[in-house]
Amino acid sequence: EVQLVESGGGLVQPGGSLRLSCVASGFTFSAFWMSWVRQAPGKGLEWVANMNQGDTEKYHVDSVKGRFTISRDNAKNSLYLQMNSLRAEDTAVYFCARTQIQPLLQPFNYWGQGTLVTVSS
Amino acid sequence: QTVVTQEPSLTVSPGGTVTLTCASSTGAVTSGYYPSWFQQKPGQAPRALIYSTSNKHSWTPARFSGSLLGGKAALTLSGVQPDDEAEYFCLLYSGSTWVFGGGTKLTVL
Repeated sequence: EVQLVESGGGLVQPGGSLRLSCVASGFTFSAFWMSWVRQAPGKGLEWVANMNQGDTEKYHVDSVKGRFTISRDNAKNSLYLQMNSLRAEDTAVYFCARTQIQPLLQPFNYWGQGTLVTVSS
Repeated sequence: QTVVTQEPSLTVSPGGTVTLTCASSTGAVTSGYYPSWFQQKPGQAPRALIYSTSNKHSWTPARFSGSLLGGKAALTLSGVQPDDEAEYFCLLYSGSTWVFGGGTKLTVL
């Protein structure tokens, strides 16, 4: 069974930093693109970042470029999101999600339960 | 930046049929946008329903179908059940990035 478990969320002051983690199980983590998606309270979904299996391709939404960095450790079956210079508008539940490329593109076919990040003074 | 537009809300009767649509600010939605659809119920993580326009996941009920309709991506629910009441999000691929629609809140009444 595919499982994605996020952790690392919490309350942080504006300008602060936080590192989110996502531990994967039930599949060969190193074979899949992985992503972060967020959802502000009462709002819709927003793709934040994704990266390929070998850490050679990374993409971030414009609103977090230069502040957030996605990374992974395939030996630990783990995905990370380093979040710096946090703003109130970054307040959201952050989901980890898996993407399958072959045989057809299946974005975000599995999701974790999410971890809440609150940016407030 | 691409803006993806969905109907904010729709209402359907049990047993009825409803179509949700997904439009792109850049023009007609084609298969090259790899349109996908997700269902989310309150307090839960989203669940993938449809990928690459019309393909269903192994867990997707047969009453859900995806298509391209009039320059938009579409999700059709046939024989709607009360359990289908949820928010539905479409997703489009746009130049190495992904863009979600604002979501459609579907009420079954």
